[in-house]
Amino acid sequence: DGGITQSPKYLFRKEGQNVTLSCEQNLNHDAMYWYRQDPGQGLRLIYYSQIVNDFQKGDIAEGYSVSREKKESFPLTVTSAQKNPTAFYLCASASGHTDTQYFGPGTRLTVL
Amino acid sequence: QKEVEQDPGPLSVPEGAIVSLNCTYSNSAFQYFMWYRQYSRKGPELLMYTYSSGNKEDGRFTAQVDKSSKYISLFIRDSQPSDSATYLCAMSDLYHTNTGNQFYFGTGTSLTVIP
Repeated sequence: DGGITQSPKYLFRKEGQNVTLSCEQNLNHDAMYWYRQDPGQGLRLIYYSQIVNDFQKGDIAEGYSVSREKKESFPLTVTSAQKNPTAFYLCASASGHTDTQYFGPGTRLTVL
Repeated sequence: QKEVEQDPGPLSVPEGAIVSLNCTYSNSAFQYFMWYRQYSRKGPELLMYTYSSGNKEDGRFTAQVDKSSKYISLFIRDSQPSDSATYLCAMSDLYHTNTGNQFYFGTGTSLTVIP
């Protein structure tokens, strides 16, 4: 079954902690993306990666970090520097050939 | 001005109605146009994908692109309660660069189909 998986589905973080959200895809897509979704604000791009070992900041990268060591994996770390991390986080991947994005099921992060 | 504008609704229709969802955009370089359906607390699901202008039909769904007006639409015929969701439009340009976004999203329209 091809697709994008994200884990965990729900994540709770205490103030001052770093947490890492997992994103894996078996679609053989080159590009991967992380978005944050808040009510009424649509999708905002955090980071994206076009190729292994390379990634670019999106519109709201401050307080986040990523790595792309494997084509299939693009983990997102929410650091303690992110002032308002409570949100729904979506990972996506895209094939340059079709130019269409596919999304994972999302991770809901709550800061306690 | 945002790259993509979408009326957030909410939109409420009776079962069986024809639904029209719309987005406007400002960047004439956009060539690829997508509609996603997102149920509450789930990831967006790709519904329709269109390249350049024209219509595309898939079952009860029709996507329409008018590049001269920079306007795209999604029509849902014979709407069902299971169509109740948020619908996101998205678009991208032909020439990818390594800076900035590749994909641009509307904020989504919330649709409720009443039985």
